[in-house]
Amino acid sequence: NAGVMQNPRHLVRRRGQEARLRCSPMKGHSHVYWYRQLPEEGLKFMVYLQKENIIDESGMPKERFSAEFPKEGPSILRIQQVVRGDSAAYFCASSIGANTGELFFGEGSRLTVL
Amino acid sequence: RKEVEQDPGPFNVPEGATVAFNCTYSNSASQSFFWYRQDCRKEPKLLMSVYSSGNEDGRFTAQLNRASQYISLLIRDSKLSDSATYLCVVPRGSGGGADGLTFGKGTHLIIQP
Repeated sequence: NAGVMQNPRHLVRRRGQEARLRCSPMKGHSHVYWYRQLPEEGLKFMVYLQKENIIDESGMPKERFSAEFPKEGPSILRIQQVVRGDSAAYFCASSIGANTGELFFGEGSRLTVL
Repeated sequence: RKEVEQDPGPFNVPEGATVAFNCTYSNSASQSFFWYRQDCRKEPKLLMSVYSSGNEDGRFTAQLNRASQYISLLIRDSKLSDSATYLCVVPRGSGGGADGLTFGKGTHLIIQP
């Protein structure tokens, strides 16, 4: 039973380009969460999704950021027109249900914006 | 009060010693709490859950004080492998984690030989 899979593990983009981060949850998990961790900072909640639905995107910037979790395929976090401040580790987590505090995290995608 | 607040440390502790750190939270409706562990540049992993007054798992004990809104983590007979950042985690909503979790910034623990 593979864990949460994220790719790419490392991504380098120039300012103004687009970044796409992918996350495949653990088998049997239908709840996906995206968190961002800036250097020397804590994890910040961005968005919570279930299949084909965005449940809570209150932590995601209104502009340039979007997330989806289609019926088929991985969840995708998309950052358009990246800026240097977007450089961070983006962690995806999944859970088997809604009322659980146990999130299983992927190894993260580290975005560097030049 | 911040949603979740922790002393960032670092706590430098000799191997074999006992160490404890606290975390305060603001969401009085939270029913459950968690400690996660994060090694340098790695993903967080669940260490312990705290649903009532406390929980014990081997050398680790987590305690909850609802009146004062804090939880604590005690590590006995510390090992070098305990060196990590310990994240205090509280549900964002009023349930057990229905809409994700709020993570503290973490307490950095260094066990010295």
